Amino acid sequence: QKEVEQNSGPLSVPEGAIASLNCTYSDRGSQSFFWYRQYSGKSPELIMSIYSNGDKEDGRFTAQLNKASQYVSLLIRDSQPSDSATYLCAVNNQAGTALIFGKGTTLSVSS
Amino acid sequence: ETGVTQTPRHLVMGMTNKKSLKCEQHLGHNAMYWYKQSAKKPLELMFVYSLEERVENNSVPSRFSPECPNSSHLFLHLHTLQPEDSALYLCASSQVEGYNSPLHFGNGTRLTVT
Repeated sequence: QKEVEQNSGPLSVPEGAIASLNCTYSDRGSQSFFWYRQYSGKSPELIMSIYSNGDKEDGRFTAQLNKASQYVSLLIRDSQPSDSATYLCAVNNQAGTALIFGKGTTLSVSS
Repeated sequence: ETGVTQTPRHLVMGMTNKKSLKCEQHLGHNAMYWYKQSAKKPLELMFVYSLEERVENNSVPSRFSPECPNSSHLFLHLHTLQPEDSALYLCASSQVEGYNSPLHFGNGTRLTVT
């Protein structure tokens, strides 16, 4: 069974700090990696996608991918209370037909 | 209207009822998906359609029956459900079915089976 693992949290950080969210995956053949944010009672929304080893930055968000270690992370700089949500890591499935999701990490940013 | 629209937003049904969930995407995408989200569990893939053809059925019980009449519409027909089927049902679409296409989700249907 191919899996995506995330620490469920909650991860608590003060406003303005860097939040670091981590994800590991079991299928070494995975090629596409995504981070989604889900507010309570809402549907997931795409934040970042990453396909190559290294860092990818978009505003306050940086995704990091290390395929050798089967590890992908999301850094949120200058965290804001509005960033408080559950962050879902998603990886393409073996057939390449859909995404497999982790359980998500709940982030709480206190003002 | 833009994005992915799901109706109804909330549904309460008895175990002997038959109901349908509807999803419509206005993004010009070619692939559509049904996911189930239960408390404390990761999103579970149920069905994948690519160009109106079902390409994946993730061992879903037959009491869930999908239908994709065209690339913009997706239905999930429900009958003889169990209380453990209560969950948030999410429809999603992507530009193509495949590795590099992110999913765009609808707002979901919150289903309660009594």
